[in-house]
Amino acid sequence: NAGVTQTPKFQVLKTGQSMTLQCAQDMNHEYMSWYRQDPGMGLRLIHYSVGAGITDQGEVPNGYNVSRSTTEDFPLRLLSAAPSQTSVYFCASRNPRDGYEKLFFGSGTQLSVL
Amino acid sequence: RKEVEQDPGPFNVPEGATVAFNCTYSNSASQSFFWYRQDCRKEPKLLMSVYSSGNEDGRFTAQLNRASQYISLLIRDSKLSDSATYLCVVITVPNNAGNMLTFGGGTRLMVKP
Repeated sequence: NAGVTQTPKFQVLKTGQSMTLQCAQDMNHEYMSWYRQDPGMGLRLIHYSVGAGITDQGEVPNGYNVSRSTTEDFPLRLLSAAPSQTSVYFCASRNPRDGYEKLFFGSGTQLSVL
Repeated sequence: RKEVEQDPGPFNVPEGATVAFNCTYSNSASQSFFWYRQDCRKEPKLLMSVYSSGNEDGRFTAQLNRASQYISLLIRDSKLSDSATYLCVVITVPNNAGNMLTFGGGTRLMVKP
């Protein structure tokens, strides 16, 4: 099993550019989520999904879009990148029947917006 | 006030020392508690769950104090490999399915030879 795979690992954007951060899991997990991590802030929830076709906003959704057309994939789109979106992004997945001890994270995407 | 607060550190300790971190949470309805470990530029990984009666895993001991709304992590006989950031995670009954986890900002530990 590959687990949770995020691409790219690093990305530099110019202000106003758009891009998509990819997240895929091969564990058939229904729950998937996106977090951002800023220094000293812990991880903050951006968007999440409880299954294919269902998404909802987290704590800091502004400037991001998501979709969940398949169970495996949960891409995060930056519509018009801003310097405030410079951060490390983590995708996570979980089977809702398992406890949070089985929350799996991807290896992260470090994004810089100039 | 942040929902989950941690002293950011860094805690600089010599090898073999005992070190303890606290994490306070503001929501008294919080139900589950975890400690995660995060190495530099890596994803967080579960270190241990925190049970009401306290629990131990080798050199690591976690405790919960519901009355004072804090959890603690004690590391005995520190190793160089324990150097990392330790994240406190609190789970509260949500009004939706996804926004259950609240992360603290992390406490950085540096173990020196």
